[in-house]
Amino acid sequence: NAGVTQTPKFRVLKTGQSMTLLCAQDMNHEYMYWYRQDPGMGLRLIHYSVGEGTTAKGEVPDGYNVSRLKKQNFLLGLESAAPSQTSVYFCASSYSIQLVNTEAFFGQGTRLTVV
Amino acid sequence: GESVGLHLPTLSVQEGDNSIINCAYSNSASDYFIWYKQESGKGPQFIIDIRSNMDKRQGQRVTVLLNKTVKHLSLQIAATQPGDSAVYFCAETSGGYNKLIFGAGTRLAVHP
Repeated sequence: NAGVTQTPKFRVLKTGQSMTLLCAQDMNHEYMYWYRQDPGMGLRLIHYSVGEGTTAKGEVPDGYNVSRLKKQNFLLGLESAAPSQTSVYFCASSYSIQLVNTEAFFGQGTRLTVV
Repeated sequence: GESVGLHLPTLSVQEGDNSIINCAYSNSASDYFIWYKQESGKGPQFIIDIRSNMDKRQGQRVTVLLNKTVKHLSLQIAATQPGDSAVYFCAETSGGYNKLIFGAGTRLAVHP
């Protein structure tokens, strides 16, 4: 059972470069999320999607774009990477956006360093 | 503003002892709370949840206690094992997953 898979697992970027992080889930979940995790802070929501073709901003969306062209994939893009975007990125998915009786499943994370 | 915090950044316990990890929250409107476990190099994993209409909920070796009066949440792990070593996060929300607020985390270190 794959669950939520993130690629790549590690990446080093130079300031100004662009990249795309891929999240894939095989649980037929409608809802998908991108978080970033920084030392001493909890996970913060960047963007999320409530279904194929739809996306919405989370708590810290600036500098990121997302796309959900297929139900099973949620892409996170950095158009012009900045050192402040050095972080560990987690993708998650859930059957429902409501928490009760619904568990969110997380990927293993992508460690991104911007130099 | 709304925030979720933890009292102790690191907790060290002996194998077999009980562990208690604490969390304070500031949003009185929060009605749902979750505890997550995050092992090194992995994503968060759901442990247990509790609604605001409950004071206590038990799982397998874990118990979550909620004190709404003082806005305090705790996770108790019975007979702590080496495999329990991880970072534990509390999270709270007054809405759905898109409004989930995570605490910074407490590292639990279990010593033999």
